Amino acid sequence: QKEVEQNSGPLSVPEGAIASLNCTYSDRGSQSFFWYRQYSGKSPELIMFIYSNGDKEDGRFTAQLNKASQYVSLLIRDSQPSDSATYLCAVKPGGGSYIPTFGRGTSLIVHP
Amino acid sequence: GAGVSQSPSNKVTEKGKDVELRCDPISGHTALYWYRQSLGQGLEFLIYFQGNSAPDKSGLPSDRFSAERTGGSVSTLTIQRTQQEDSAVYLCASSPPPGSYNEQFFGPGTRLTVL
Repeated sequence: QKEVEQNSGPLSVPEGAIASLNCTYSDRGSQSFFWYRQYSGKSPELIMFIYSNGDKEDGRFTAQLNKASQYVSLLIRDSQPSDSATYLCAVKPGGGSYIPTFGRGTSLIVHP
Repeated sequence: GAGVSQSPSNKVTEKGKDVELRCDPISGHTALYWYRQSLGQGLEFLIYFQGNSAPDKSGLPSDRFSAERTGGSVSTLTIQRTQQEDSAVYLCASSPPPGSYNEQFFGPGTRLTVL
């Protein structure tokens, strides 16, 4: 059973702070890792993806991947109230599968 | 360019009726996925298409659920004899052809309510 685990939260941070969202996965052969943002009542929106160990930065977002420890994280710098949403981690497994496994998401609240 | 579109955006039906949900993927995307999301819950995988074939339909919850895809593009998810537990948001996503990183782009969803 391939699993992706996220703390459901809510994670509450003040405006301007760094929000750190974490995700662990069970399949060592996993290849690609994705972060989606889902506002209440809306569909998931792809923020970024990462496939190599290390950091990948895109604006205020940084994804970090550590395959040895089987975790991927998303850092949001200078958090804004508009970042308040549920963040879904998804992992593309190895073995030729094209079905990503989604975590249940972490709720982020950025308060003014 | 145009994103994934789904219709209808909302559907209210009576228990026992059949419903059809439609998904138009992003042009050129060969992979198409259907998911279901109940209120406050995570994404539940239903079925995956590569082209017109469905190599993985393991998530379909019962034989009342079926899906097809034609012309490597539009997909229809059909639920027969709807039950109240079928009420959820049905999401469609598409991905670029194999060889990409399999990133998924979601449509806005269809909210199904079974009375």
